[in-house]
Amino acid sequence: AQSVTQPDIHITVSEGASLELRCNYSYGATPYLFWYVQSPGQGLQLLLKYFSGDTLVQGIKGFEAEFKRSQSSFNLRKPSVHWSDAAEYFCAVGTTGGGNKLTFGTGTQLKVEL
Amino acid sequence: SAVISQKPSRDICQRGTSLTIQCQVDSQVTMMFWYRQQPGQSLTLIATANQGSEATYESGFVIDKFPISRPNLTFSTLTVSNMSPEDSSIYLCSVKPRDYQETQYFGPGTRLLVL
Repeated sequence: AQSVTQPDIHITVSEGASLELRCNYSYGATPYLFWYVQSPGQGLQLLLKYFSGDTLVQGIKGFEAEFKRSQSSFNLRKPSVHWSDAAEYFCAVGTTGGGNKLTFGTGTQLKVEL
Repeated sequence: SAVISQKPSRDICQRGTSLTIQCQVDSQVTMMFWYRQQPGQSLTLIATANQGSEATYESGFVIDKFPISRPNLTFSTLTVSNMSPEDSSIYLCSVKPRDYQETQYFGPGTRLLVL
């Protein structure tokens, strides 16, 4: 069965600083990988996804993520964080081969200091 | 993507009662799912809502507690039955628009508090 680990429960960064949120997955085949963001009181918004091809994927709001098969990682990055980026971020892995199940990590709560 | 709405957006209920949550999509979608997000935790898949047939439940979730309907390709309901305070959670609907797309899009969620 697949699993996702987000080692950082909370991260605090200053506005304008760079950001990297870590995600490690476990899955027997090439996974589908996703990052979602959940702002307070909101549902989940898709930031970006990786299915195949270029291992560096660009998403919305200036986010990018890099798939590293050798490290089983899919870390999320942003070069300059804005105060509005404060939210909870979830990494998820989806099964391939027509499967539909998404398995989520426990999330990383991002706080942005002004 | 798809535009997904949920009703109600939040509710406070008494233990022993039931609540039905509605999920409406603005276009026909292949698959619909229901997730639970308990306070301070991640999302857990409850079931896949199948159009015209019984939902497919994940381990730990049963139809008697979480009956699900999906009468057409744009609408689904989840009922939380005989509620207890442990059912206090956010319940989210998600959809997969097409068979060949593995991306799921989420509704805004229903915040449920059981007293």
